[in-house]
Amino acid sequence: DVKVTQSSRYLVKRTGEKVFLECVQDMDHENMFWYRQDPGLGLRLIYFSYDVKMKEKGDIPEGYSVSREKKERFSLILESASTNQTSMYLCASSLSRDTLPYTFGSGTRLTVV
Amino acid sequence: AQSVAQPEDQVNVAEGNPLTVKCTYSVSGNPYLFWYVQYPNRGLQFLLKYITGDNLVKGSYGFEAEFNKSQTSFHLKKPSALVSDSALYFCAVRENTNAGKSTFGDGTTLTVKP
Repeated sequence: DVKVTQSSRYLVKRTGEKVFLECVQDMDHENMFWYRQDPGLGLRLIYFSYDVKMKEKGDIPEGYSVSREKKERFSLILESASTNQTSMYLCASSLSRDTLPYTFGSGTRLTVV
Repeated sequence: AQSVAQPEDQVNVAEGNPLTVKCTYSVSGNPYLFWYVQYPNRGLQFLLKYITGDNLVKGSYGFEAEFNKSQTSFHLKKPSALVSDSALYFCAVRENTNAGKSTFGDGTTLTVKP
């Protein structure tokens, strides 16, 4: 089975800190995605990537950046964490064919205090 | 632009009764449609998908979904609910020209009572 691993299940950071969320997948998937999940708002796409060193903005990219230096790893960066970035962050990956579903990681619950 | 609506925040059913979780979508082309389930403090798990072909698709754990193009709907169904089906369910749509990017609904919490 494909595995998508997010490095932390729970994180607590202070306002203004630079925060790195790491995601690694082990099945050579081309596409990787970062979503945030908030109650009543569903999943909102932050950034996605189709290939190494390639990135595209999603629906809510403000305050975030990403890095994809290797195919298996997709990092989400909060440049200066704020309390409104407290959320559940979900990483997903998929093969390049559009008909295939995503495989999700278990999520990182980030609290910014 | 593509969008998904799950009109019910919460669905409650008794164990053994049929369940339906509703989903409607909007896309400019032909849709690819997916259902995912999320258990507490976990990521989303894929349940089933519609790409083309038969309007009734079957998936994991006895779930099925019916694609209705005229009503732009893709409702999730199960003939007999289990308490263990209690979870958060998400519908997602992807245009077949949008190279992998999916839009998710807000989610529906299903509670199955014994």
